[in-house]
Amino acid sequence: KQEVTQIPAALSVPEGENLVLNCSFTDSAIYNLQWFRQDPGKGLTSLLLIQSSQREQTSGRLNASLDKSSGRSTLYIAASQPGDSATYLCAVTAGGFKTIFGAGTRLFVKA
Amino acid sequence: GAGVSQTPSNKVTEKGKYVELRCDPISGHTALYWYRQSLGQGPEFLIYFQGTGAADDSGLPNDRFFAVRPEGSVSTLKIQRTERGDSAVYLCASSSGGLAGEETQYFGPGTRLLVL
Repeated sequence: KQEVTQIPAALSVPEGENLVLNCSFTDSAIYNLQWFRQDPGKGLTSLLLIQSSQREQTSGRLNASLDKSSGRSTLYIAASQPGDSATYLCAVTAGGFKTIFGAGTRLFVKA
Repeated sequence: GAGVSQTPSNKVTEKGKYVELRCDPISGHTALYWYRQSLGQGPEFLIYFQGTGAADDSGLPNDRFFAVRPEGSVSTLKIQRTERGDSAVYLCASSSGGLAGEETQYFGPGTRLLVL
């Protein structure tokens, strides 16, 4: 059974700091891994999708890496801003299109 | 066009009642997902549709939950004999239905269900 774990559960950093969010999964047989952002009381916004054959994806200040063999992904956020404050969720999709989410990392960026 | 929409945005019902939650996916998206999210948790997979058929309903918690997508577009999640434990945010997502590895899911704002 696929399990997704995110560490840390919460993180508070000063504005401008670079930071790394971690995601681990137990079954490496995945189609893709996605990182999402969720603002309080809102739905999810897709940030990056890494296909199983890829090692990383970049979008602006965000960079996500994938190491299938070790069951790990990291989301790197450069030069954090108060507007980055949100919950960041990692999700893996495997056979049958079933997508399994982690519990998320709640990020607070202090101005 | 427009993103994924869900109605109602909030639903309050009494224990034992029947509720229907609606999802309008992005136009042209053949894949549709339902999730349930409890406070402080990530979304929990319920069911996946490819077109009109439920390709994977392994996440439905019991037979009180049922979902349909009769014309391959709008989907309705139906909950019978609601229980207080069904209180959660129900999220819908759609994707283009192309190659599995390229499937970015686009989420709606969710329906907040409260069972009293």
